[in-house]
Amino acid sequence: GQQLNQSPQSMFIQEGEDVSMNCTSSSIFNTWLWYKQDPGEGPVLLIALYKAGELTSNGRLTAQFGITRKDSFLNISASIPSDVGIYFCAGHRGNTPLVFGKGTRLSVIA
Amino acid sequence: DTGVSQDPRHKITKRGQNVTFRCDPISEHNRLYWYRQTLGQGPEFLTYFQNEAQLEKSRLLSDRFSAERPKGSFSTLEIQRTEQGDSAMYLCASSLPDSNQPQHFGDGTRLSIL
Repeated sequence: GQQLNQSPQSMFIQEGEDVSMNCTSSSIFNTWLWYKQDPGEGPVLLIALYKAGELTSNGRLTAQFGITRKDSFLNISASIPSDVGIYFCAGHRGNTPLVFGKGTRLSVIA
Repeated sequence: DTGVSQDPRHKITKRGQNVTFRCDPISEHNRLYWYRQTLGQGPEFLTYFQNEAQLEKSRLLSDRFSAERPKGSFSTLEIQRTEQGDSAMYLCASSLPDSNQPQHFGDGTRLSIL
């Protein structure tokens, strides 16, 4: 099935560093979502974006809906150990099914 | 709000057996979705319901797979004559009916085929 291009695939960072990851699509979306998944659990919604150019924050997380409507990025500031996990972008247009990226695996070194 | 609940959390079965999973959505959510996730991949859409109506099915949903939501509340996903390739995490999500409403996921059922 179709998937988004999410990068990087994995990151190893020091505690306290900022993190940036992004997602691109060949199709225009009108909704972008960012989820975090811990081992053995389902994805948990972090941020939802509905408008091109929109910049939304959730605590130390900030995400933006790209102007072209084909990309989105997620930033995490001042990373902490509990930020470890797999981050997924997802998008869709209208009533089309939600399409997910392959995820960015984040490891934080204390 | 008790969240999306899935049962069982784990299922191990022999190839060729039938399995059935259950999903209970968030109570006020009309839409219910099924996804499959394999190792190192994001979730892949299988099918979704609005109330009791199954509105879309992915090509991933072979004829051995069937999903139901008879009363518009909980849903079941059945896999008949399981194959090795069916081993995956099966995730359920629910949302309010507006297509812009975000989907909230359960913790999934991990299926292992021996």
